[in-house]
Amino acid sequence: GDSVTQMEGPVTLSEEAFLTINCTYTATGYPSLFWYVQYPGEGLQLLLKATKADDKGSNKGFEATYRKETTSFHLEKGSVQVSDSAVYFCALSGNNDMRFGAGTRLTVKP
Amino acid sequence: DAGVIQSPRHEVTEMGQEVTLRCKLISGHNSLFWYRQTMMRGLELLIYFNNNVPIDDSGMPEDRFSAKMPNASFSTLKIQPSEPRDSAVYFCASSLGGSGFVGEQFFGPGTRLTVL
Repeated sequence: GDSVTQMEGPVTLSEEAFLTINCTYTATGYPSLFWYVQYPGEGLQLLLKATKADDKGSNKGFEATYRKETTSFHLEKGSVQVSDSAVYFCALSGNNDMRFGAGTRLTVKP
Repeated sequence: DAGVIQSPRHEVTEMGQEVTLRCKLISGHNSLFWYRQTMMRGLELLIYFNNNVPIDDSGMPEDRFSAKMPNASFSTLKIQPSEPRDSAVYFCASSLGGSGFVGEQFFGPGTRLTVL
């Protein structure tokens, strides 16, 4: 079945560092891909999405590109802030299916 | 828009008691998901409804758990009898999906359940 594998955490960075969180997927057909973010004590929120190959999703300085050839959807941000500290989930939406990765905890230190 | 509404936000109960969690979907959405989140197991999909019909309930742990959608905008998740290992944060999420398609999900704030 469909699945998502994302980089294990936790990840700790200093403010203004570059962030990459890797995500790869396995799916039949052409899924949509998502990154969700969960701040402490809250539910998940959609951060960005891409619905077809080569699409780039972006929001709040975060970007991810749907790469069909490498079945990847890596999350990047050029300069992280303390307020970006959260848990990040990669997810895919396929045929009557929604799969989430295990989540990667990011801590950004001042 | 009020977003997905869950109640209660916190629930503390004793082992053996019945627990009912409630969720109101975003108006116009037709898909409803119940998730459970723990430190040990992460985020687990329990059950998924589309147009009030359960599509995938393979994640429901056992017969103690049951979920219903009495109407298009409301769902309940019931645990009877509850056990300490059911302690977790339970999220519901709604989306607007089509035939065979699961759209972007909007999550509620969660219910933190503690079973003593």
